[in-house]
Amino acid sequence: DTAVSQTPKYLVTQMGNDKSIKCEQNLGHDTMYWYKQDSKKFLKIMFSYNNKELIINETVPNRFSPKSPDKAHLNLHINSLELGDSAVYFCASSQGLTGSSTDTQYFGPGTRLTVL
Amino acid sequence: QQQVKQSPQSLIVQKGGIPIINCAYENTAFDYFPWYQQFPGKGPALLIAIRPDVSEKKEGRFTISFNKSAKQFSLHIMDSQPGDSATYFCAATYGNKLVFGAGTILRVKS
Repeated sequence: DTAVSQTPKYLVTQMGNDKSIKCEQNLGHDTMYWYKQDSKKFLKIMFSYNNKELIINETVPNRFSPKSPDKAHLNLHINSLELGDSAVYFCASSQGLTGSSTDTQYFGPGTRLTVL
Repeated sequence: QQQVKQSPQSLIVQKGGIPIINCAYENTAFDYFPWYQQFPGKGPALLIAIRPDVSEKKEGRFTISFNKSAKQFSLHIMDSQPGDSATYFCAATYGNKLVFGAGTILRVKS
C-alpha cells in the first residue's frame, strides 16, 4: 500500500533530452510538491500544487514544468536536460487545502536522475 | 542563503550514546519546526515536530528542545541504536513551505 509513489526510480539520459517523472498519491491529500535533493543531500522545494493549482514556484528554470491532471497526480516534465539537473527528485503530499504549516508532508521514494 | 542552518554535517556515536543535532533559523515567519529522518534510498519521513510556543517535546527516544528567543532548536536521540543510523534534517515551515537544513549524517556504532 504505497502512499506516495514515483516512477521511474532511476532515470539515465543524455543531455538535451526531455523526460518526465510521474507521481501519484493515494492518501486523498489536496497538496502535492516536488523537491530536488542534490549530491550533498540538500533538499529544496521546487513546486507546490494545491488541488491542481500552482501555489509555490521557487526559482526553478522554466525547463521544469509541473503538470497536475488531478489532485492525486503531479508529474514533472523537464526539457533540454543539463548535467546540473542530475539529482534525486522527490514528490510529496500533504493533507490541507489551505496549506497549514503543521500538515505533515509525506514523501515518495525518489527518482534518481542522471544526465550524461 | 540558507534559511535554516544545521550542524554538525556528520556525527558518529557509540550505541547507547546521545547524539545532538543543532539548528538555527533567521526568518521569524516560520511557525512549525519538524525533523525528518531519511534512510539511504528512501524519501524523508517525519520524525517529530514542535511548535515555537513549546520549549521541549519528547516522543519515545527523540526529544526536541526549542529556544525561541535564540531562534535555535535541537534534536536529542536517547539510547541511540544502530538502526538510528540515517540522515536527519531539521526544517521550518510557514504555510505549506518546508525549508530544510543541510542534513546530518548520523552513524551509530554497535
